[in-house]
Amino acid sequence: DAGITQSPRHKVTETGTPVTLRCHQTENHRYMYWYRQDPGHGLRLIHYSYGVKDTDKGEVSDGYSVSRSKTEDFLLTLESATSSQTSVYFCAIRRITQGPNTEAFFGQGTRLTVV
Amino acid sequence: AQSVTQLDSQVPVFEEAPVELRCNYSSSVSVYLFWYVQYPNQGLQLLLKYLSGSTLVKGINGFEAEFNKSQTSFHLRKPSVHISDTAEYFCAVNGAGGGNKLTFGTGTQLKVEL
Repeated sequence: DAGITQSPRHKVTETGTPVTLRCHQTENHRYMYWYRQDPGHGLRLIHYSYGVKDTDKGEVSDGYSVSRSKTEDFLLTLESATSSQTSVYFCAIRRITQGPNTEAFFGQGTRLTVV
Repeated sequence: AQSVTQLDSQVPVFEEAPVELRCNYSSSVSVYLFWYVQYPNQGLQLLLKYLSGSTLVKGINGFEAEFNKSQTSFHLRKPSVHISDTAEYFCAVNGAGGGNKLTFGTGTQLKVEL
């Protein structure tokens, strides 16, 4: 158990509303990631963080923003949800100490439906 | 840039038969390669990883993978599958020049039948 908790686990929201997903870790790791999983696309990186207040974009960042004010929490916000953002969202952490050779540990996912 | 191609979206196989799930990668620098498994309604779990050294890597649940640099491949194999291996499998790459970002393939759904 890598100590990752995602909340909520399921959410249904209406088009145009803001939505925030939370990822909480208990192990004090620098690197945290948000991915979305869609059929036929696998997992695609939305944003990631390499420390408090340090974030960067992934390959599908349009329409999303993130914040990391504490080491343990990484928030993903959909400013104005659209139906194309219906997906399963996964948070991940990496215990990177010497470089990009360590695996990622994933949360259980958040299933978001935008109607 | 780094990318991963999983050539098969679905692989049906009978129980106790061998299976190979294919993965090809693209990276301009040395790479680190991973295979993950996802059971229904769960997150991803690491099966195995290649960092350096021996090209044959053994993982959990009897899976193994072989790194082939000349063919830029990292195929996953199991000599005899079980019903419980039914899941989706993802190959991932982190190139040395790709920051600390994992890039995933589109996944292969393995369905084991009796």
